[in-house]
Amino acid sequence: QVQLVESGGDLVKPGGSLRLSCAASGFSFSEEYMIWIRQAPGKGLEWVSYISNDGNGIKYADSVRGRFTISRDNARNSLYLQMNSLRVEDTAVYYCARCRGLGNGAYFDYWGQGTRVTVSS
Amino acid sequence: EIVLTQSPATLSLSPGQRATLSCRASQSVSNYLSWYQQKPGQAPRLLIYDAFNRATGIPARFSGSGSGTDFTLIISSLEPEDFAVYYCQQRSNWPLSFGGGTKVEIK
Repeated sequence: QVQLVESGGDLVKPGGSLRLSCAASGFSFSEEYMIWIRQAPGKGLEWVSYISNDGNGIKYADSVRGRFTISRDNARNSLYLQMNSLRVEDTAVYYCARCRGLGNGAYFDYWGQGTRVTVSS
Repeated sequence: EIVLTQSPATLSLSPGQRATLSCRASQSVSNYLSWYQQKPGQAPRLLIYDAFNRATGIPARFSGSGSGTDFTLIISSLEPEDFAVYYCQQRSNWPLSFGGGTKVEIK
C-alpha cells in the first residue's frame, strides 16, 4: 500500500535551517509528482512546494520562494525540503503528498502523517 | 490568486442528519475542485476530486456537486466518524489554494 513517511521536523531558532525528508513506498515514486503542504497550528492548509516526477518542474509558494528548496532522489524514493532562513511564521506541520490530476494543477490522493516544525527563539 | 470561501464555518448536527457544505470560488475553477476531510491529529484525506468523483474507498454517503464558482459537499447521513473538518481545494490555477474549512461538530 502507498506510504509516505515524513521526518526531520524539529525546534529551530529564527534564521535557522532544517531539512525535511519524505520516504515513499508502495508505488512507483519516480513516476509521480509530489508536493509539500503545511498547516500552521489551528489553521488551514497551505501548499509550499511542488516537484515534477523528474525534478525538472518546480514551483514554490510566494511565502517560501528564495528560502526553501524542494528536491527528490528517485533512486532512494525520497522527497526533500531544505528550509533556510526560517521564520516564526513557518511554524507548522509539514505534509508530503502525492499529486494527481496533472495537466491542470493537482489534487492530492495520499498524504504522510506530517512532521512538526517549530520556529521559536 | 483564486480565493475559496467555505460556509458555514461550523455545522452542528446530529448523527443521521444530512450535512451540506459549501465552497465558493472567487473566479471560475471549472470542475477542478476537491474536498478533503481532516480529523484531529491526522493528515487530510481525499474525499472528492474534480467536483464529483469519489476517491478510492470513500463511502457513497459523500457526494460532491457544482461547477464554475459554486460547489457543494453533501454527507447524506452523518456517521460518528464523519465529525471532522472539511476543506475544499482548487487546481484550476496556480497558486493552488484551499478553503478555510468547515467544522462539522456533534450537536
